[in-house]
Amino acid sequence: KNEVEQSPQNLTAQEGEFITINCSYSVGISALHWLQQHPGGGIVSLFMLSSGKKKHGRLIATINIQEKHSSLHITASHPRDSAVYICAVPPLMNRDDKIIFGKGTRLHILP
Amino acid sequence: NAGVMQNPRHLVRRRGQEARLRCSPMKGHSHVYWYRQLPEEGLKFMVYLQKENIIDESGMPKERFSAEFPKEGPSILRIQQVVRGDSAAYFCASSPGLVTSSYEQYFGPGTRLTVT
Repeated sequence: KNEVEQSPQNLTAQEGEFITINCSYSVGISALHWLQQHPGGGIVSLFMLSSGKKKHGRLIATINIQEKHSSLHITASHPRDSAVYICAVPPLMNRDDKIIFGKGTRLHILP
Repeated sequence: NAGVMQNPRHLVRRRGQEARLRCSPMKGHSHVYWYRQLPEEGLKFMVYLQKENIIDESGMPKERFSAEFPKEGPSILRIQQVVRGDSAAYFCASSPGLVTSSYEQYFGPGTRLTVT
């Protein structure tokens, strides 16, 4: 079983729809990262959160540390949101400073 | 403050040649990480370095791969005698502190290595 699981793996939606991407993890963490990888390959860090909720524009990220679950929401989705969204966790109690990545959710927003 | 810089962005090598990938971290960042993304796969950790020190190279293949982060200059990921299976995107990220202490990582644009 992977230590970081994302769902869905692929998601196609119409422009304007509300999008939810989920991430579950099995390790203890201090914070969780959401990354966006553009079709061209570049990676952008969207959020780092350790509790509650963060909002940036149309993006909202939530985390429940007790349940070891995080969600990334996109409101009023747009074709430019089409990308791969990656959940990443740096495990606690890890002497090495290593991040574990989910396999990513490939999002395609249709105009 | 320029972001993390990687060069070259694209690199083509024939089997058996050497590939050298460079990463300049953000100003003030002393932690550098290298990741590999094979085609249609997720990111995988390779190595974590601080200035002049390899802290964790557990994700690096045992042979042909090496990394350094000298006192001056960029971090270098070196792949000797490249094989087709080395074709991938190699991303570098930097951080001002430990990511396990909740410091954020900033990613470079990646180097796409193609081995022919």
